Order: sequence, then C-alpha cells, then structure tokens
Amino acid sequence: ETGVTQSPTHLIKTRGQQVTLRCSSQSGHNTVSWYQQALGQGPQFIFQYYREEENGRGNFPPRFSGLQFPNYSSELNVNALELDDSALYLCASSPTSGGGHETQYFGPGTRLLVL
Amino acid sequence: AQSVAQPEDQVNVAEGNPLTVKCTYSVSGNPYLFWYVQYPNRGLQFLLKYITGDNLVKGSYGFEAEFNKSQTSFHLKKPSALVSDSALYFCAVRGGPTLGRLYFGRGTQLTVWP
Repeated sequence: ETGVTQSPTHLIKTRGQQVTLRCSSQSGHNTVSWYQQALGQGPQFIFQYYREEENGRGNFPPRFSGLQFPNYSSELNVNALELDDSALYLCASSPTSGGGHETQYFGPGTRLLVL
Repeated sequence: AQSVAQPEDQVNVAEGNPLTVKCTYSVSGNPYLFWYVQYPNRGLQFLLKYITGDNLVKGSYGFEAEFNKSQTSFHLKKPSALVSDSALYFCAVRGGPTLGRLYFGRGTQLTVWP
C-alpha cells in the first residue's frame, strides 16, 4: 500500500449535482495530482497542487476545481455533473513538484457514477 | 506534444514464459518514463521508472524495462511470467513544459494462463 487514501470509494450522483472527493497524501509529500480514468482508458491529468497552489492543469473545464490544505490533504470538486463525468478518480502524491523524476504514488480511487 | 502509445490492447502468455508489454513515447526533451500496474477495482501501483543512466531498469516483482532512445521505446519485460501477474499495465511519460504531469497510454491487459 502507498499510504495515499481516498474517500469515498464509490459515489452515485445525478446529472447537475455537485460532488467533492477527498484525498490524503502519503506522509512527507507536498504535491498532489488528480487524474480521471474513464472506462477502458488510461488516466487523464486534471490538475496538480503544490503547497496549496494549483501548479498545472489539464484539458478540463473550470467546473473541475480543487483545494490543497496545509496538511497536504486535497479535495477535487466537480460542479454541474454530466454523464461523461462517470469515471474512476485517482489522486497521486509525490515529494515535490519539480524535476519531473519523482514517482507519483496513487490512491485506490473513487468511482463516480452519474445518472 | 507528449504522448505514449501501447500498441497491444491484450497480451497473453503461458505461465513460466517470458513476457513483453510494449510502449513507445513522444516527448520534447529528456523523457522520464514509468510503468504502473492496476488490479481490478484498485488504483495504480508503481513498478519502475527510467530517469537516466543504465538503459535496463529493474523494478518490483521481477519486472524490468529497457529504454531505447533511438526507437523511443520503453518495453516492460519479465523473464518468467506468473498467473498473479495478470493485470492492466500502463506506461507513462513525463517531460516537456509541464514536468508534474504524467501522460498515460491506454493500457495493456496482460493475461497469464496456467
């Protein structure tokens, strides 16, 4: 196990609702990244937070937003849910954001189903 | 633009035989390459990475990967497959202007039959 935890494990929402997913980073890691994994696809980068600031964003609309807290835990918020938001949401923590060679350690994911 | 291709959706091998899962990449600048494995209803587990140095990288559970710069490839290998190796394998690359971001392939489903 990586020490990265996510909650909840599963979630069912209806279209138009809002959802908050939570992630607790591995001890000593100050960087968290969020990914969306649709069925049959590889994970797609949503955004990254480093020391409570957004540090890079993928091709996702503004209704996907995040927060990182002083203890380096993190939230992913999605507003106005759409059917295509149904996916496995993964968070990954790493020691720093720079250099590019640090390993990202993934949590077990939250599976979101939008009806 | 950074990208990863895993040309095989599925790889099937017999237990005890060697296995190879293929990956090619495209990145500006020096690549940082990673392999992850995903078991059903689980997150991604890190297997190994290439940063610099020796082109043959050894990782967890007996896996290794060979970096080939001229062919822009980073194939995952194991000399003797186990049934428990059956899982979904992802190759990922990091590089270019957004160093923190991993670009993943679509994944290769490995099945090892007894």
